[in-house]
Order: sequence, then structure tokens, then C-alpha cells
Amino acid sequence: AQSVTQPDIHITVSEGASLELRCNYSYGATPYLFWYVQSPGQGLQLLLKYFSGDTLVQGIKGFEAEFKRSQSSFNLRKPSVHWSDAAEYFCAVGAFAGNQFYFGTGTSLTVIP
Amino acid sequence: NAGVTQTPKFRVLKTGQSMTLLCAQDMNHEYMYWYRQDPGMGLRLIHYSVGEGTTAKGEVPDGYNVSRLKKQNFLLGLESAAPSQTSVYFCASSYSRTTGGNYGYTFGSGTRLTVV
Repeated sequence: AQSVTQPDIHITVSEGASLELRCNYSYGATPYLFWYVQSPGQGLQLLLKYFSGDTLVQGIKGFEAEFKRSQSSFNLRKPSVHWSDAAEYFCAVGAFAGNQFYFGTGTSLTVIP
Repeated sequence: NAGVTQTPKFRVLKTGQSMTLLCAQDMNHEYMYWYRQDPGMGLRLIHYSVGEGTTAKGEVPDGYNVSRLKKQNFLLGLESAAPSQTSVYFCASSYSRTTGGNYGYTFGSGTRLTVV
């Protein structure tokens, strides 16, 4: 069965510190992986995506993610967090020719000054 | 460039009442989706549509109906609202048939529904 696990429900980091949000997936086919960000009261915005090729992908707002097939992981990272990064982050997995994504339960990020 | 627009943004219903949520997109996307978002549950797919006049069930379709009479609009209906349907509802759309080719969804800003 397809599933996405985000083990960290809530993370607090200091502004300027590095960030890593974890995502593990279970999927029967070659996965297509995504990270979305949701600011309070807003819809989800695509941060980055992985389809194939280089396993380290760059996204918007200075985020990057690394696909590790052996670990079934697609962790999101940022070298230096800004206060405006405080939001909810969702990992999602889909497949070529599929009709839907499967979303994780989200990780809430708090940034303290 | 409006993208995906959801109306209304907020609504309070009494148990047993009915309502329709409207999703409109101006990007000529073929695929449209309705998700519900609940604390600790992430986003769960209710129904989706792969084109005008077609709809299909997602993960949690019970208690909801949908229609896609026009390509740009995707309606979500609750015939008899229940407190369990209290949630935030998101509409999304995508261009390509394949999730691999659609570069992700474009989401609306959500409808917060409370059923009392």
C-alpha cells in the first residue's frame, strides 16, 4: 500500500540554523516525490519535485531535497532558516500515469528569533 | 492570473443541511481534485475528475458528491452534513494526465467548514 510518513509532527529551530524535515515513503512503483509548503490560511505551494536523474533537487526559497532510494526517503533541507519559513510542510508521492498523490500528515515548523 | 479559486472560504452548517463548494480554475487544466485536511491526517482525496463530465472516487468519498459539468469548474456537494465532515477542504488542479508530468498540483486557498 502507498503511504508517506513524516515522523516529526512539529519542529522548532532558531533563525539562521539549518533545517532537515524527514519524509519516508512506501510505494509499489517508481515514485515521483514532492514537497509542499502551507502558510497559515493558505493553500499548498509546490516547493520542489523529484522525477528522475540527479537525486539532489533544488527548489524555491532556498530549499533542497535528496532522494535516497535505498532508504525510501526524500528529506527536505535548508542551510539557514528564515522566520518566514514558519509553516506546515507536506511530503507527497505519486506515480507516472497515476491519478493522485498520497500526502504525509505534515510537519509544522516554528522559527524562533 | 487567478489560478484556483474556492468559494466560500468559510461556512458553518447545521447537521443535516446541504451545501455545495465551488472550485474554479482558469488554467485549462484537465484534472481537478477535492481533498479534505484534518489534524494529524494530512490531506485525503475525496473525489477527482480527469476531464469534463467525468468523476471518480478517491480515498474518502462517502457523504460527498461531485460534478464537473464545465472543464473549469468542479463542485463538491454535501447532501446531509454531519459533524464528521467538519474539515478544511482544498481543491486542486493539474494539467497533465500523469502525475509525473503535471509538475505538482495548483491548490486553492481552502474552505473551512464547520458542521454543528
